[in-house]
Amino acid sequence: DAGITQSPRHKVTETGTPVTLRCHQTENHRYMYWYRQDPGHGLRLIHYSYGVKDTDKGEVSDGYSVSRSKTEDFLLTLESATSSQTSVYFCAISENPVNTEAFFGQGTRLTVV
Amino acid sequence: DQQVKQNSPSLSVQEGRISILNCDYTNSMFDYFLWYKKYPAEGPTFLISISSIKDKNEDGRFTVFLNKSAKHLSLHIVPSQPGDSAVYFCAASDRNQGGKLIFGQGTELSVKP
Repeated sequence: DAGITQSPRHKVTETGTPVTLRCHQTENHRYMYWYRQDPGHGLRLIHYSYGVKDTDKGEVSDGYSVSRSKTEDFLLTLESATSSQTSVYFCAISENPVNTEAFFGQGTRLTVV
Repeated sequence: DQQVKQNSPSLSVQEGRISILNCDYTNSMFDYFLWYKKYPAEGPTFLISISSIKDKNEDGRFTVFLNKSAKHLSLHIVPSQPGDSAVYFCAASDRNQGGKLIFGQGTELSVKP
């Protein structure tokens, strides 16, 4: 299995609080991604990174920010959590997304109450 | 705008028969396509991929077909087995979009004994 770890695995938080999810990899892959999975919407890209300090927005980036200060860590922050951000969040890593597969973490289930 | 679409939310197939999962895309610049399988409470796992320079790729029971003129790809599973029951996602990437990897909404396959 690819060395990719998401933390925490489960979190319940209150509306309006900031939340940070962490993705850690040991594969030294250049590309890292954050997705959310919701019924009827599949996997939607929130943000992605193509190198240290190089990030870009995905399809559903509003309300989220990311940081990548080291190759191995990609952080997703919900600045002020809302109930619409209740979801399962997946991190993925890839060596080169145009000719190799991406590997996924186990997911983080976030509930905003 | 959904760039990758899986229009069938679910599919039911008898064990031993062929399963055909479909995926359409709108961005003609996509040049690498992948299929993932996802079980409940787990992260997606890579199944098979195809480059835009090919029209078919086969791996055991799994074959992916790409029709670039129709912007359509399909995954064939022959013969289908009960363990294939899962949600299947197609994904696409474009080397000109900095590594962005876009997924469809998923199709839930149920293989009945």
